Amino acid sequence: EAGVTQFPSHSVIEKGQTVTLRCDPISGHDNLYWYRRVMGKEIKFLLHFVKESKQDESGMPNNRFLAERTGGTYSTLKVQPAELEDSGVYFCASSPGLVETQYFGPGTRLLVL
Amino acid sequence: GNSVTQMEGPVTLSEEAFLTINCTYTATGYPSLFWYVQYPGEGLQLLLKATKADDKGSNKGFEATYRKETTSFHLEKGSVQVSDSAVYFCALSRSGGATNKLIFGTGTLLAVQP
Repeated sequence: EAGVTQFPSHSVIEKGQTVTLRCDPISGHDNLYWYRRVMGKEIKFLLHFVKESKQDESGMPNNRFLAERTGGTYSTLKVQPAELEDSGVYFCASSPGLVETQYFGPGTRLLVL
Repeated sequence: GNSVTQMEGPVTLSEEAFLTINCTYTATGYPSLFWYVQYPGEGLQLLLKATKADDKGSNKGFEATYRKETTSFHLEKGSVQVSDSAVYFCALSRSGGATNKLIFGTGTLLAVQP
C-alpha cells in the first residue's frame, strides 16, 4: 500500500511568487492534515480536512494560505504571495478515522528568497 | 493551552550507550502521547504511543511511559545503534473533539557515533 506522498520535494521561489504544494493521502483515509516546521522549531498544525470539508483551520497563519481538497482525495496548499517567513518544511498526514494514527508524508521543503 | 516541551539537542552518544530524551507536556483532560522519528531524508514515522496514564509504549527497543503525576513521557533505549541517528519528536493529541491535531515539541537531534 502506497504511503502519503507529497510534491514537490523541494521548491525554491522568490518573495512575492506563488507556490502550490500537493499531498496525496493514503487511499481511503478521510482525514488529511497539514503541518509546518519553520526554521528547526516545533512542527505546527495548519489545518484538518475530513473528506472535502475543512474541520479545523485554526492553524493557518494568514489569508495568503489557501488549502483545498476537492473531491475528498488529494489536497493542495497554495501560498500567494509567498513571504520569507513562509520558508520551512510542509508536512501532510492522513488517517482513516479521527482517533487513529496519523501517517506522514516526506514533506515539501520550501525556501522563499 | 496545550504544549509539549522536550530537551534541546543535539544529543551525541556512542554506540551501545543508554538514551533518555525528556518530554513533558501541558494539557487539559487526558491526551494521547506520541514519539515520532524522522530519519535523514525521510518523513515522520510513528515510533510509539500511549493513550492513558501508566501505559507504556514500545517499539524497536525504545520505550516511553505515560506519567500523569509528572506530566512526562520520556523516551528511553538501553543500547543505541548508529542507525538510531535521527530527529525525535514528542507530541500529544486531545481526543473527544472534532479534530485530532497533533501538538509537537521542537524535536531532538540524536547522533550516534560508532
